[in-house]
Amino acid sequence: EPEVTQTPSHQVTQMGQEVILRCVPISNHLYFYWYRQILGQKVEFLVSFYNNEISEKSEIFDDQFSVERPDGSNFTLKIRSTKLEDSAMYFCASSEGRAGNTEAFFGQGTRLTVV
Amino acid sequence: AQSVTQLGSHVSVSEGALVLLRCNYSSSVPPYLFWYVQYPNQGLQLLLKYTSAATLVKGINGFEAEFKKSETSFHLTKPSAHMSDAAEYFCAVSDRGYGGSQGNLIFGKGTKLSVKP
Repeated sequence: EPEVTQTPSHQVTQMGQEVILRCVPISNHLYFYWYRQILGQKVEFLVSFYNNEISEKSEIFDDQFSVERPDGSNFTLKIRSTKLEDSAMYFCASSEGRAGNTEAFFGQGTRLTVV
Repeated sequence: AQSVTQLGSHVSVSEGALVLLRCNYSSSVPPYLFWYVQYPNQGLQLLLKYTSAATLVKGINGFEAEFKKSETSFHLTKPSAHMSDAAEYFCAVSDRGYGGSQGNLIFGKGTKLSVKP
């Protein structure tokens, strides 16, 4: 069964460092997403990506965040200068159509710990 | 704006007992509604979804949910809990892409289900 793959499963980084979280969406999907879940809080939408550009982003997704689809298979989330409050589980998801209309498949998540 | 409220961050039931996980939503447009399950150290897996067809939706692993517009609820139930049901459950709402949005998912805080032998 096709699945969304995220690497690494756990990343520890020092405050101020850049991190790149990697995702391989399901191959025939067209819409890609990043969500995050701070420990004990809601899963929050960060950004959606379609046709090689950001289609929607939340207020959380400020200038320190960026996304990229560098090749035909990977979808990355970069955090330029990490802060303690960026510590969270980051989920990548993909769907054939818009997430509201078709099922969004989620990866296992990357737990980011900023120290 | 849309939102989801899940009542009870932690629910504990005995094996074989009824599971009831509560979800209330707020939406200015007809919503799509979802339940996702997260097992330890795994991603979010879709259990079931409501997309304006039948109001009683059946999902995987014996779960079902009923959409009640008058109560703005979408509670998740299972007649008989199994030990393997222990996980965290998330209710989510989408605006279906009204007004040009992407129909992104808005999640509740989650309910952790424990099943006692």
